[in-house]
Amino acid sequence: DSGVTQTPKHLITATGQRVTLRCSPRSGDLSVYWYQQSLDQGLQFLIQYYNGEERAKGNILERFSAQQFPDLHSELNLSSLELGDSALYFCASSVRWGLYNEQFFGPGTRLTVL
Amino acid sequence: QQQVKQSPQSLIVQKGGISIINCAYENTAFDYFPWYQQFPGKGPALLIAIRPDVSEKKEGRFTISFNKSAKQFSLHIMDSQPGDSATYFCAAATPGASGSRLTFGEGTQLTVNP
Repeated sequence: DSGVTQTPKHLITATGQRVTLRCSPRSGDLSVYWYQQSLDQGLQFLIQYYNGEERAKGNILERFSAQQFPDLHSELNLSSLELGDSALYFCASSVRWGLYNEQFFGPGTRLTVL
Repeated sequence: QQQVKQSPQSLIVQKGGISIINCAYENTAFDYFPWYQQFPGKGPALLIAIRPDVSEKKEGRFTISFNKSAKQFSLHIMDSQPGDSATYFCAAATPGASGSRLTFGEGTQLTVNP
């Protein structure tokens, strides 16, 4: 158990809908990362927050947004969902945002868009 | 230039054998190279990591070999065990304002037969 929690574990929804994925980092970790894992794209970095501020942005669609709250938990919002958004979404956390800080991954949320 | 190429896609090894997974990169700004292990239904977990100022790092049965001039690095699993059966991802990260976003390889599904 990495200490990172993600809810829900599974999410099934329809095209055009909006969902929110939640992540609680390990106790003491200030940095949160979101990754998407799909069969065709592999594991891809979406976005990173550090202590409430956006730190880095990757291949995140405009329909997706995220935030980190004062209690350091993070939410990833996915809107106008398409079939291709079906994937595993992982949250990871680390103590700081620097280069050599180990990222601890949560168990993921499996999103299925029908 | 941000890509990390990983091979093979799948690997079958007998118990006690050596598993070798290779990765290559183009971006010379990459400065941190971790390997992650992922079991079905779980998030990736850090296995071992190396910085480009060393050519080899060993932790137990796991060794990373790094060739900076060739821009290649590999994971060697000695005395492979059935419990090592998992998907392995190499990754790379760049320093600086981009934080520690990880760029992952495509993954290698390792099966160790008893």
